[in-house]
Order: sequence, then C-alpha cells, then structure tokens
Amino acid sequence: NAGVTQTPKFQVLKTGQSMTLQCAQDMNHNSMYWYRQDPGMGLRLIYYSASEGTTDKGEVPNGYNVSRLNKREFSLRLESAAPSQTSVYFCASSAGTGVRRTEAFFGQGTRLTVV
Amino acid sequence: QQPVQSPQAVILREGEDAVINCSSSKALYSVHWYRQKHGEAPVFLMILLKGGEQKGHEKISASFNEKKQQSSLYLTASQLSYSGTYFCGTEETGNQFYFGTGTSLTVIP
Repeated sequence: NAGVTQTPKFQVLKTGQSMTLQCAQDMNHNSMYWYRQDPGMGLRLIYYSASEGTTDKGEVPNGYNVSRLNKREFSLRLESAAPSQTSVYFCASSAGTGVRRTEAFFGQGTRLTVV
Repeated sequence: QQPVQSPQAVILREGEDAVINCSSSKALYSVHWYRQKHGEAPVFLMILLKGGEQKGHEKISASFNEKKQQSSLYLTASQLSYSGTYFCGTEETGNQFYFGTGTSLTVIP
C-alpha cells in the first residue's frame, strides 16, 4: 500500500500562474485534509473533506479551492499564485467521518515556491 | 485556537529524558501527538482522550489533564532516532482541531 501520495513533490511558479496539487489515498479513508506548513507556524488547515462530495474551509482557505473528486482523491488548486503561498503543502487522510478526529496519515509533501 | 507548545527547542544527549508541553485556552476533547523528521511527513504517535488517561509506547508516553487543558509528552532514555519536531494537535469540544507550532528535539551522542 502506498498510503497517501502527493504530486508533484516540488514546484516553482511565477506570480499569477495557476496549478493543482494532487492527492490520492488507498486506505479507503473518509476524511481528507490539505495543510500548509510554514516555519514557526506549525501545520495550518486549508480545507478538509469529511466525506466524498463535501468540503469545508479550514483556518487559511483564501486563495485556494479544492475538489473531492471521489473517495480516493482530493485536489488543491491555486488559481493565481502569490509569493505568500510559498510553503510546504501536506495532504492527509483519516478514517473518521469528521465528527471526531482520528489518526491522520500524511503524504510526503509538496514544496511550492512562488516567485 | 492554536495550542502553545513549550519548549520551542531542546537539545539532549542520548539517554537523557525530555518533557514537551502543550497547552490550550479552550476546553478539549482530545490531544494528538505527531513527530516530523526533517524533510519528511508528520507521523502519528498517539491520541489521548478526555478522562485524564496516560498512554505510552515504548519509551514515549503522554498524559492529558483535561481540567487544565494541558498535555505533556515524555521521552525517556532518549535515542538518536527521537530527533525531530514534535507537534501536538488539540481537538476542542466544539470539534475545531489545531496543531501547535512544534517543539524541535535534537538528540546528540
């Protein structure tokens, strides 16, 4: 089992460009999450999906959109990248349905630089 | 509300003990602990549910004092492999979940 797979691993964008970060899990988990990690700020939730077909905003959703394509896949889109979106992005999944948090499994991360 | 972790960083020699604290201003349902090695993904360590339980795994254990909204992670007889950044995640009774800013732990020979 691969667990949680994110693509790409590295990306450099110019300001204003768009891109989609892909995430897929093979653990049949209900919940999926997108986090960003910045130095000294820990992990901050961008969006999450408690089940297929539902998405909700997290702490820092501005400038991002998400799609829960099916139970396995959860993508994160930057429509017009800004330097402030330079960060490491992690996708995660968990078995719970969102009412109470359970153990989360993280992907290997995407290092995004916006110049 | 993002929990506060202390200390921000700690350096230990192999075999020494360490305690990492996590504190919230909100009523908590659970506390989660993760470890992240440099350049890698966070990895789950344990969950503590309200009820004041203490859990452990080998030489890493944790406690949760729900009245004080605090949790502590105990690392005993530290090993080189314990190096990394430790994050607590707090689940509030209203279902909001936040990660702390992390504690960097370095174990040296």
